[in-house]
Amino acid sequence: GIQVEQSPPDLILQEGANSTLRCNFSDSVNNLQWFHQNPWGQLINLFYIPSGTKQNGRLSATTVATERYSLLYISSSQTTDSGVYFCAVEVGGGADGLTFGKGTHLIIQP
Amino acid sequence: DTAVSQTPKYLVTQMGNDKSIKCEQNLGHDTMYWYKQDSKKFLKIMFSYNNKELIINETVPNRFSPKSPDKAHLNLHINSLELGDSAVYFCASSYRRTLNTGELFFGEGSRLTVL
Repeated sequence: GIQVEQSPPDLILQEGANSTLRCNFSDSVNNLQWFHQNPWGQLINLFYIPSGTKQNGRLSATTVATERYSLLYISSSQTTDSGVYFCAVEVGGGADGLTFGKGTHLIIQP
Repeated sequence: DTAVSQTPKYLVTQMGNDKSIKCEQNLGHDTMYWYKQDSKKFLKIMFSYNNKELIINETVPNRFSPKSPDKAHLNLHINSLELGDSAVYFCASSYRRTLNTGELFFGEGSRLTVL
């Protein structure tokens, strides 16, 4: 099956800093999503981004499908950004559903 | 209004018991899923139903049986619970696009602890 690698696995930053999270995948995909799991365990859909660039407030994401990677940018970090960020991908056909990476654990310190 | 809701949020039970988790979505989606998140936070799909029809059935023990009475509901029944079943179970839903899952929305999770 498809392999999804996220980096870095852990990241500790001060409030106000910017960060870039990376997701590499091993095959062509037609679905890529970023999720945030907050410290209370809720999984929140951030972006549906199989290709191109999207922005939502302080967050933006870029997927370069031909090079098999996606980046999630967080600017001016706040403590509420803490949690685990997951990338999930799906190959064409959708027979296997979304495959998740192991996540990047982000801690924003005040 | 809660988009994807699951009950109960917490279950603590003894080995060998049977338990059920219920899930409902009010997003009008046609596809629902069960995912399992283990202690290392790894998320893996278990089942998927599209309009009440099973379309994804990953390799899980047959002690796990999903049931979808209609496209807004997907329940998970687990027989003869084992210690290794302890995990957080997430329900999710999406409007299935051509050849892919579409945007996935999760419920709040049900934490199952087997003693």
